[in-house]
Amino acid sequence: GENVEQHPSTLSVQEGDSAVIKCTYSDSASNYFPWYKQELGKRPQLIIDIRSNVGEKKDQRIAVTLNKTAKHFSLHITETQPEDSAVYFCAASLGSNYQLIWGAGTKLIIKP
Amino acid sequence: NAGVTQTPKFQVLKTGQSMTLQCAQDMNHNSMYWYRQDPGMGLRLIYYSASEGTTDKGEVPNGYNVSRLNKREFSLRLESAAPSQTSVYFCASSELGYTEAFFGQGTRLTVV
Repeated sequence: GENVEQHPSTLSVQEGDSAVIKCTYSDSASNYFPWYKQELGKRPQLIIDIRSNVGEKKDQRIAVTLNKTAKHFSLHITETQPEDSAVYFCAASLGSNYQLIWGAGTKLIIKP
Repeated sequence: NAGVTQTPKFQVLKTGQSMTLQCAQDMNHNSMYWYRQDPGMGLRLIYYSASEGTTDKGEVPNGYNVSRLNKREFSLRLESAAPSQTSVYFCASSELGYTEAFFGQGTRLTVV
């Protein structure tokens, strides 16, 4: 079946440095790619999303890039802060229906 | 404006017991979803409802049933609980399929 691979599973960076999380998807019909942040014990919340007609999108310190040819997309967080510590999930739409296929998550640790 | 509300927050069941997880949203969203989240894994879609009156299977529907009671409410039923259904369950809603999904606070279910 279709899947989304997410790497790395754990990422530890120094406060102030940048963090990059990468996802690869298998369904060539996917056209919606959201990123969610989940703090410990809390619900996932959308932080940024991108659609297939756009190559890059930025929102302050967060950016997402999409390469449809290679079927991968990445989350970039610059000037990391302690409150960025969380698990980040990528997802890709499954074809033309309402399903999202999720990556396994990346635990981001910001070292002081 | 409460967003997405799930009940209960915690539940312990014995193998073979049944229960219904309730979910309600007050954002007038068309689409609703039930996910399960297991340690080290992303969210897996159990069932979804693209609009009032319709329901469809997701990635892991076996052992579950759903009811879209009205536009606001979407319930998940476990007819005969099994230890493999021990998980955290999230309900979510979105205006359309490819828009931001808002999650409930989750239900931590343990089947012994």
